[in-house]
Amino acid sequence: QQPVQSPQAVILREGEDAVINCSSSKALYSVHWYRQKHGEAPVFLMILLKGGEQKGHEKISASFNEKKQQSSLYLTASQLSYSGTYFCGTDRSTGGSYIPTFGRGTSLIVHP
Amino acid sequence: SAVISQKPSRDICQRGTSLTIQCQVDSQVTMMFWYRQQPGQSLTLIATANQGSEATYESGFVIDKFPISRPNLTFSTLTVSNMSPEDSSIYLCSVIPRIGSKTSTDTQYFGPGTRLTVL
Repeated sequence: QQPVQSPQAVILREGEDAVINCSSSKALYSVHWYRQKHGEAPVFLMILLKGGEQKGHEKISASFNEKKQQSSLYLTASQLSYSGTYFCGTDRSTGGSYIPTFGRGTSLIVHP
Repeated sequence: SAVISQKPSRDICQRGTSLTIQCQVDSQVTMMFWYRQQPGQSLTLIATANQGSEATYESGFVIDKFPISRPNLTFSTLTVSNMSPEDSSIYLCSVIPRIGSKTSTDTQYFGPGTRLTVL
């Protein structure tokens, strides 16, 4: 089952905030977030783990609601460099080997 | 971390031919995957490349069309066989260096991709 992302696209001006949501129909142990710029490979942003632990290395935050099987990515005071397509990734497996599956992506465009 | 290189970076092929894409990682990794991505679309998992055994394919992908090898913990190949224009896409190698029990606590890294055009 592919996680569901919303919205499909967001258009912002520099300095504005955005929230991208990711939900799953199955229990989640972790959620990964990636950003892909046009013509480039996806780049890791953040991992959120069951139990609330959060790992990341950019000034972008996220939340993980295990009960609701949802995660949200928060981009505050957006910069031009935030433009790209954001993907959330979850484990599609039902107990076997890890099977990383990605949502359809959210296109974020930041204008000057 | 893991640095991934792919060869070729792009290719234009004729219908009915085959292309083998190589993926090399700079360190030993637990898991290797192959994805396909159409322009503007999501990442579709083709298969998990298993070291020393047959790859595990996702629904809609078969070994005869996409044979995969993984002879060691740093290298894998994906072959796109008997190509048709519908196979035109970007093919990405991806790795997870370490995997925890039940959950992935490590980053998933992606190679730069191979852009394939089939005429």
